[in-house]
Amino acid sequence: GQNIDQPTEMTATEGAIVQINCTYQTSGFNGLFWYQQHAGEAPTFLSYNVLDGLEEKGRFSSFLSRSKGYSYLLLKELQMKDSASYLCAVRGLSNQTGANNLFFGTGTRLTVIP
Amino acid sequence: GAVVSQHPSWVICKSGTSVKIECRSLDFQATTMFWYRQFPKQSLMLMATSNEGSKATYEQGVEKDKFLINHASLTLSTLTVTSAHPEDSSFYICSARAGSGETQYFGPGTRLLVL
Repeated sequence: GQNIDQPTEMTATEGAIVQINCTYQTSGFNGLFWYQQHAGEAPTFLSYNVLDGLEEKGRFSSFLSRSKGYSYLLLKELQMKDSASYLCAVRGLSNQTGANNLFFGTGTRLTVIP
Repeated sequence: GAVVSQHPSWVICKSGTSVKIECRSLDFQATTMFWYRQFPKQSLMLMATSNEGSKATYEQGVEKDKFLINHASLTLSTLTVTSAHPEDSSFYICSARAGSGETQYFGPGTRLLVL
């Protein structure tokens, strides 16, 4: 089966750095994605890792260790608008269909305070 | 990034009626489209996967006769919730990708409220 774990909630201060962790156990692995989702809106793509290491994109960086089944999303210079849910998603094999699908964690609700 | 649209964005309907939701990829050809459902404060749950011109494949626990999916072209998929009931009230989100190794892009979602 698919099991993706993230902390439920985090709070951080404007201007600071925050790290959101994600651990996973899935049937097959074909990449890990991070999405940002504001309340009532659809997720927007942030980053993609398929090989071990760090991918940096502006204020956002994402790290992957396939051997440990672990990823994190790092947000620097936090802004108030970064308050949102951050979803870790793994592309793996559906037990039902055998197809390559994206499976989501429960999401981490980040609150940025002044 | 690529653009995926959904229509309508909001639906309020009476119990027992059917509701159709459209999902379109606007600037790429989507060989595969996905339908997700999200209840409040929960994560996205994959309902079904559809490939253009093929029957949709449904995840365990999702009734295929209740949630009808049609993927008639490379840019359009529809989800019809038949005989909707209040427990079907949820946020329905479609997603599309060009190929199996490509990024999935999400539509803006459709909020369904069944009275």
